[in-house]
Amino acid sequence: GAVVSQHPSRVICKSGTSVKIECRSLDFQATTMFWYRQFPKQSLMLMATSNEGSKATYEQGVEKDKFLINHASLTLSTLTVTSAHPEDSSFYICSAPLTSGGGTQYFGPGTRLLVL
Amino acid sequence: AQSVAQPEDQVNVAEGNPLTVKCTYSVSGNPYLFWYVQYPNRGLQFLLKYITGDNLVKGSYGFEAEFNKSQTSFHLKKPSALVSDSALYFCAVRAMGGQNFVFGPGTRLSVLP
Repeated sequence: GAVVSQHPSRVICKSGTSVKIECRSLDFQATTMFWYRQFPKQSLMLMATSNEGSKATYEQGVEKDKFLINHASLTLSTLTVTSAHPEDSSFYICSAPLTSGGGTQYFGPGTRLLVL
Repeated sequence: AQSVAQPEDQVNVAEGNPLTVKCTYSVSGNPYLFWYVQYPNRGLQFLLKYITGDNLVKGSYGFEAEFNKSQTSFHLKKPSALVSDSALYFCAVRAMGGQNFVFGPGTRLSVLP
């Protein structure tokens, strides 16, 4: 199956700093990638759709200036949490869909962010 | 608007017994339906999908799911549960022509030895 990687898997940072999370599709190209946030014992909340070569599309209520998304190539999307605060602590997961097979999304392993 | 319901927060089953994790959906037009499994502190792993064709879909690790259009359901099943099946299961729907998935709230499956 298709493989999506995420880096780092875990990050601890001080309040006010910025954190960058990378999402890579390893064996397929993805013009679109998705960024999700998951709170403990809850489902995934779609934050934004990352589009290669154009601006990301953000879901309602997600601050685009706080969660910067860049889709630099057909295999890489980055999410930067700017000026992180403790309430940004969460599990962030990216996914990339295949263009065939009904658009099955393949997920990265997730990044656990803890802001102190 | 699309929506997915998983009516059970938790399902407990004894090892070796059959298991069912329920999912119902609402979507305009024909749905694409998916099941994913999540182990602790991990991303989601794809189990199976229904796009078209046979209503009974077979997937990874011995799981299968039955698409029922009249009941708008897509229940996940396995004939004989393993302790290692214990995890969080998510049902998702995608409208034909759209990209976004809508996920259900998840069902925690516990298989007891």
